[in-house]
Amino acid sequence: NAGVTQTPKFQVLKTGQSMTLQCAQDMNHNSMYWYRQDPGMGLRLIYYSASEGTTDKGEVPNGYNVSRLNKREFSLRLESAAPSQTSVYFCASSDRTGFSNQPQHFGDGTRLSIL
Amino acid sequence: AQKITQTQPGMFVQEKEAVTLDCTYDTSDPSYGLFWYKQPSSGEMIFLIYQGSYDQQNATEGRYSLNFQKARKSANLVISASQLGDSAMYFCAMREGATGGFKTIFGAGTRLFVKA
Repeated sequence: NAGVTQTPKFQVLKTGQSMTLQCAQDMNHNSMYWYRQDPGMGLRLIYYSASEGTTDKGEVPNGYNVSRLNKREFSLRLESAAPSQTSVYFCASSDRTGFSNQPQHFGDGTRLSIL
Repeated sequence: AQKITQTQPGMFVQEKEAVTLDCTYDTSDPSYGLFWYKQPSSGEMIFLIYQGSYDQQNATEGRYSLNFQKARKSANLVISASQLGDSAMYFCAMREGATGGFKTIFGAGTRLFVKA
């Protein structure tokens, strides 16, 4: 049971380069999320997708774009990487229902460094 | 606007004692869920406990309990009989219901240190 799979696990970019972080889940969850976690800090929501075909901005969307490719996959793209985007990126998925006690399931994270 | 606040950047507790980690929240959605996660130094997110906005009783899961005070918009985590393995970052999170698009945000976290 893979859960939430993120690729790559590590990446180093130069300022101005672009890249896409991939995320896939096999739990048939409707909702998917992208967070960033800076050292010693909490998770900040970048974008989320409540269901296939919809995406919404979170707390810190600037500099990022997302694509909900299908129910399983939710990708995060950095069009022109900046040093301020150096962080650990987590993808998560969850059951959609607001009353649900099912927690988010997280990937292992992508450690991204931008020089 | 949806907001989660954890005001304790760091906490120390003696092994075998109880500790309370604070969390306050704000939302206009009447349907929401509150979650606590543990993040050890290895980095993974471990789900601990859940409280729904319509739940009448405080949630409990083993040594974890949630002191839910809806009127005060607080959802404090209580860890009883602390163990050395409890040393970690702890995050409070809130998921809104359909009105909020199931958006889920996290607090800044509290780093807990358990002393032997």
